[in-house]
Amino acid sequence: QKEVEQNSGPLSVPEGAIASLNCTYSDRGSQSFFWYRQYSGKSPELIMSIYSNGDKEDGRFTAQLNKASQYVSLLIRDSQPSDSATYLCAVPPSGFQKLVFGTGTRLLVSP
Amino acid sequence: DAGVTQSPTHLIKTRGQQVTLRCSPKSGHDTVSWYQQALGQGPQFIFQYYEEEERQRGNFPDRFSGHQFPNYSSELNVNALLLGDSALYLCASSSKYGQGDFDEQFFGPGTRLTVL
Repeated sequence: QKEVEQNSGPLSVPEGAIASLNCTYSDRGSQSFFWYRQYSGKSPELIMSIYSNGDKEDGRFTAQLNKASQYVSLLIRDSQPSDSATYLCAVPPSGFQKLVFGTGTRLLVSP
Repeated sequence: DAGVTQSPTHLIKTRGQQVTLRCSPKSGHDTVSWYQQALGQGPQFIFQYYEEEERQRGNFPDRFSGHQFPNYSSELNVNALLLGDSALYLCASSSKYGQGDFDEQFFGPGTRLTVL
């Protein structure tokens, strides 16, 4: 079982729709969860951090965390073509100061 | 406020050579982590430096070494380059004043290394 798993996609959504990106992790002790956005040829950019069960909203982005199910998701409302990128889920294992990344989900938003 | 900077942007080397990559952390940050990202994969943790010492290390061979300077900048050295070392090398900086038990990491633009 991989430490952090994501569907590689691509996930295709029309402009204005809600994009839902999912991630599962294996370490039950993990307490911090991060979403990074990476445009082609660029470096990852931190867009959301979540530490408690439930939802956290920041503009058009909502992160959802369910520690019992070891599941974290990212919702993007009113998707725009500029949101087309790879979204990386990152989870540090308990007791470690390193990020373990999933392979990323490629999102394509069509006009 | 200057973000994380890395140099060089691109580098081409041949097998067997040695390379040094450089990173300056974001202002106010004191910890530097290095990651390797192969095409189509998520970044893989190489090691982390804090207070000029290697604090944690990932599953990378001893050919990969590093250093942190008193001004918190860092270098990644790779010896005896292999074709498989071709990747995007990312530096991330962090500080110990974040929320939760883990310090948020912010990435620099990366160095694209090609080994021929």
